[in-house]
Amino acid sequence: GENVEQHPSTLSVQEGDSAVIKCTYSDSASNYFPWYKQELGKRPQLIIDIRSNVGEKKDQRIAVTLNKTAKHFSLHITETQPEDSAVYFCAVNQAGTALIFGKGTTLSVSS
Amino acid sequence: NAGVTQTPKFRVLKTGQSMTLLCAQDMNHEYMYWYRQDPGMGLRLIHYSVGEGTTAKGEVPDGYNVSRLKKQNFLLGLESAAPSQTSVYFCASRGLARFNEQFFGPGTRLTVL
Repeated sequence: GENVEQHPSTLSVQEGDSAVIKCTYSDSASNYFPWYKQELGKRPQLIIDIRSNVGEKKDQRIAVTLNKTAKHFSLHITETQPEDSAVYFCAVNQAGTALIFGKGTTLSVSS
Repeated sequence: NAGVTQTPKFRVLKTGQSMTLLCAQDMNHEYMYWYRQDPGMGLRLIHYSVGEGTTAKGEVPDGYNVSRLKKQNFLLGLESAAPSQTSVYFCASRGLARFNEQFFGPGTRLTVL
């Protein structure tokens, strides 16, 4: 089955800095790569996603880049704010039916 | 629309007891999923369903059973609970199209003593 590795497991930045989280996957047939944000005690919620026919997608301060050849994709958050503090999960679709998640990155933004 | 709901929100079991977690969605979604979340382990897929009457195993299916008798409901059963099943359980659903967003329920915190 699909194997998803996510790094780093924790990330601390100063407010206004950029944050980058990277994920690698194993199945070259995977074609959908979402990112979820989970605030403390809450459910995971989709923040951005990318399909395999696109190399980069941006939505205000967040962006995702995909390198299909190397089988990795990254989440970029610019101008971080304290409310960005949360756990971020990458995911990859397996056989088009189920999402397999990385282990998560705890992002802490200090002001 | 309520979206995805889960019952109960919290539960404490003794080892060997059984229970059923209920997930319901009102978005007419075909796909439904059960994940467990443990510290440092992310979200691991237990079982999933691609439609009413169908179920499939995920990454960590042992010790769990599921049923999808109605399209809007997906049940997760623990026949004989073990302390290793202490976790937060999330249900999720999505529509049929491949790139549809997957929506999560609020979670059920289960403790097995």
